[in-house]
Amino acid sequence: DAKTTQPPSMDCAEGRAANLPCNHSTISGNEYVYWYRQIHSQGPQYIIHGLKNNETNEMASLIITEDRKSSTLILPHATLRDTAVYYCIVRVAHNQAGTALIFGKGTTLSVSS
Amino acid sequence: DSGVTQTPKHLITATGQRVTLRCSPRSGDLSVYWYQQSLDQGLQFLIHYYNGEERAKGNILERFSAQQFPDLHSELNLSSLELGDSALYFCASSGGQGEGIQYFGAGTRLSVL
Repeated sequence: DAKTTQPPSMDCAEGRAANLPCNHSTISGNEYVYWYRQIHSQGPQYIIHGLKNNETNEMASLIITEDRKSSTLILPHATLRDTAVYYCIVRVAHNQAGTALIFGKGTTLSVSS
Repeated sequence: DSGVTQTPKHLITATGQRVTLRCSPRSGDLSVYWYQQSLDQGLQFLIHYYNGEERAKGNILERFSAQQFPDLHSELNLSSLELGDSALYFCASSGGQGEGIQYFGAGTRLSVL
């Protein structure tokens, strides 16, 4: 699985968009970008994933650059409940070898009022 | 609510003891993954079971073992406990093998005194 680099922390004002970057310059053609978050000691929560097209769901948007070497998770209107550690993970969608998610240190997003 | 149930929520025990953590996956999911989260190591993959068979091992100590039963629930057994085993233990499930989208339980917090 490709290695990812994320800033250790970011701040965001409540109601503003939170843009969380992730670099994955060694990503392979069949690897997807996944985003998870972990709200203080709760179980990690899947947010969104994508291969090369931009994706949007009810939680967030994912923008992947054309060369696929970086991506940005966008929380359009951050709330205090979005304060969490956000993890960017690059891997294939289905791994028959059964390998699990490899979590790095992630980005701690602090949303303040 | 992810649909993954872990029991107990908290466990306090002494060094040298043995404990069993239990996980019930989401209805219909065949894969169960175990992760350990300690303050200094972050989230680390321990082991993956698919439909009752072990599929992958991560950084799991020999003192730890797991199994998945015919009803698909899983148990993680930790023996000869040491202070350093104090951590949050998460279980996750997915429909197939090694999928990028996994659903996590709320975790079991183990304190070894």
